[in-house]
Amino acid sequence: NAGVTQTPKFQVLKTGQSMTLQCAQDMNHEYMSWYRQDPGMGLRLIHYSVGAGITDQGEVPNGYNVSRSTTEDFPLRLLSAAPSQTSVYFCASSKGTGDGYTFGSGTRLTVV
Amino acid sequence: DAKTTQPPSMDCAEGRAANLPCNHSTISGNEYVYWYRQIHSQGPQYIIHGLKNNETNEMASLIITEDRKSSTLILPHATLRDTAVYYCIVGPRGGTSYGKLTFGQGTILTVHP
Repeated sequence: NAGVTQTPKFQVLKTGQSMTLQCAQDMNHEYMSWYRQDPGMGLRLIHYSVGAGITDQGEVPNGYNVSRSTTEDFPLRLLSAAPSQTSVYFCASSKGTGDGYTFGSGTRLTVV
Repeated sequence: DAKTTQPPSMDCAEGRAANLPCNHSTISGNEYVYWYRQIHSQGPQYIIHGLKNNETNEMASLIITEDRKSSTLILPHATLRDTAVYYCIVGPRGGTSYGKLTFGQGTILTVHP
């Protein structure tokens, strides 16, 4: 198993550009989540999904869209990038039976 | 959602046990206690979880008080590689709310030689 794979690892965007952060897992996990982590801060939940076709907002959803058309993939879309979205983004997945979440290695995004 | 309180930082000597406390006085009956850690800038790593009984795995032990209002994560023989931010989280084992696990600020554990 590859676990949770996030691409790209690094990205620089200009203000106003859009892009999609990719997240894929091969563990047949139902639960998937996106977090952002700003320097020196804890993780904040952006969006989450409890299964294919089901998504919901977390603590900081503004400026981001998600969809979950398959169990494996949970892409995060930045609609119009802003400097405030400069952060490290982590994707996570879980079976949902209390075994904990497996996190990806993160995408480091800079918006200039 | 239940909240947790953790000390912002702790130190530990290499080879000694590291005991990381967490208060969760508003935990509800069906909520579990989860512990994660984040080493440097890596993605968080799941450590252990429990409901009311003490739990042990290859990484750590989790001691939950009888009233479930607090818990302690124990790293029995801390090494330099255990230096990390440790997060205590409470939440359900499954269901919709399991998708919304919230991380607080955690405890920065520094293991000294």
